[in-house]
Amino acid sequence: DQQVKQNSPSLSVQEGRISILNCDYTNSMFDYFLWYKKYPAEGPTFLISISSIKDKNEDGRFTVFLNKSAKHLSLHIVPSQPGDSAVYFCAAFAGKLIFGQGTTLQVKP
Amino acid sequence: DVKVTQSSRYLVKRTGEKVFLECVQDMDHENMFWYRQDPGLGLRLIYFSYDVKMKEKGDIPEGYSVSREKKERFSLILESASTNQTSMYLCASIRGSYNSPLHFGNGTRLTVT
Repeated sequence: DQQVKQNSPSLSVQEGRISILNCDYTNSMFDYFLWYKKYPAEGPTFLISISSIKDKNEDGRFTVFLNKSAKHLSLHIVPSQPGDSAVYFCAAFAGKLIFGQGTTLQVKP
Repeated sequence: DVKVTQSSRYLVKRTGEKVFLECVQDMDHENMFWYRQDPGLGLRLIYFSYDVKMKEKGDIPEGYSVSREKKERFSLILESASTNQTSMYLCASIRGSYNSPLHFGNGTRLTVT
């Protein structure tokens, strides 16, 4: 049973526009959420996180929104850049970290 | 800056072979992890270790074992490799609580033929 789901395997956006990556979860005990970015042939790198007591966290071009009632979080990238093209994983923590399936973002010049 | 080093980028092994994947971190982290990444399945936790000689099963430990004889080194062992263990294997480490951001190595792409 997939507790953390990224239902969109891929997303394509134009450079300069907004990228929105979505993540749904089922376990209400998750209390911390993280986003990781992964380039080919490299390990994932931490991008941004949010505690369940907050509904928004911002770091430069990256903003994560958490809607606890909907059990949904999203990552907004504004403006998108070609270097943002990567696989993005959301992860949720409740004693251990559970990862989603990943979404491949392509930002076209 | 934390460095997690996986000894091999690519490995090709035959079915039934014993396979060792090595991981070393240089930041004195207590906690180390082995994940595998498969398309459509994301990252799944195989084993983790919170101290030397200590290990805990993750979500998919079957067919794997681990060894942590030194704090900086965490090895993943495939006792008898099978084709369904063809995957990308990722090692990670953290200091402190498990919700801290993981530091990953670059991965080992293992192909079992």
